[in-house]
Amino acid sequence: EAGVAQSPRYKIIEKRQSVAFWCNPISGHATLYWYQQILGQGPKLLIQFQNNGVVDDSQLPKDRFSAERLKGVDSTLKIQPAKLEDSAVYLCASSLDRWNTEAFFGQGTRLTVV
Amino acid sequence: QQQVKQSPQSLIVQKGGIPIINCAYENTAFDYFPWYQQFPGKGPALLIAIRPDVSEKKEGRFTISFNKSAKQFSLHIMDSQPGDSATYFCAATDYGNNRLAFGKGNQVVVIP
Repeated sequence: EAGVAQSPRYKIIEKRQSVAFWCNPISGHATLYWYQQILGQGPKLLIQFQNNGVVDDSQLPKDRFSAERLKGVDSTLKIQPAKLEDSAVYLCASSLDRWNTEAFFGQGTRLTVV
Repeated sequence: QQQVKQSPQSLIVQKGGIPIINCAYENTAFDYFPWYQQFPGKGPALLIAIRPDVSEKKEGRFTISFNKSAKQFSLHIMDSQPGDSATYFCAATDYGNNRLAFGKGNQVVVIP
C-alpha cells in the first residue's frame, strides 16, 4: 500500500515570498490533515479536511496560510507571504475517516525561510 | 496551551534497558492515546495506542500503561535496542474529532 506522498522534500525561500506544498493521501482516505512541526516540538494541527470540506482550520493563520482539497484527494498548502517563524516541517497525514483514529503521515516538507 | 505534556525530554539507556516516557493530559474528553515514533527525516509513525477502558496494552516490546484517574499514560520499551533510538511523541484525541494533540516529544538514545 502506497503511503502519503508529499513534495517537495525541501524548500528554501526568502521572507515575504510565497511557497506551496503538495500532498497525495493514501488511496481511499477521506480525511486529510496538515500539521506544522517546528524543530524540537511535536506536530501542531493546522487544518483538517473531510473529503473536500474543511472540518477544522481554527489553528491556521489565515492571513498568510491557505489550503485546499478541491477534488477530495490531493491537497495543497500555501504560505503567502512567508515569515521567518514559518520555518518548520510541514507534515501531511490521512486517515480512513474522522472516526478512524489511525493517521498515517508523509515524510514532510522542510521549509527554511531566510 | 499544551494539551499533552511529556517528560523527560531525553533519555539515554544501555541496550537491554527499559526507557520509560510519561505523558499527562488535561482534557477529560480525550479517549484515544497513541504513541508515535519518528526517525530523523521521516514522518511520525504510529507505534501503539490505547483507549481508557484498559489500563495496559502490549505490542511486542512496547507497552502502554494508562491511569485514567491521574490522567497520565506512559510508554515502556522493553529490552531496548539501538534501532529504537528515535523521538517518541505521545498524543491524544477524542472520538469523532481525530485531531491529534501531540506532546513535545522525547528523544531516546539506546547505546549498544
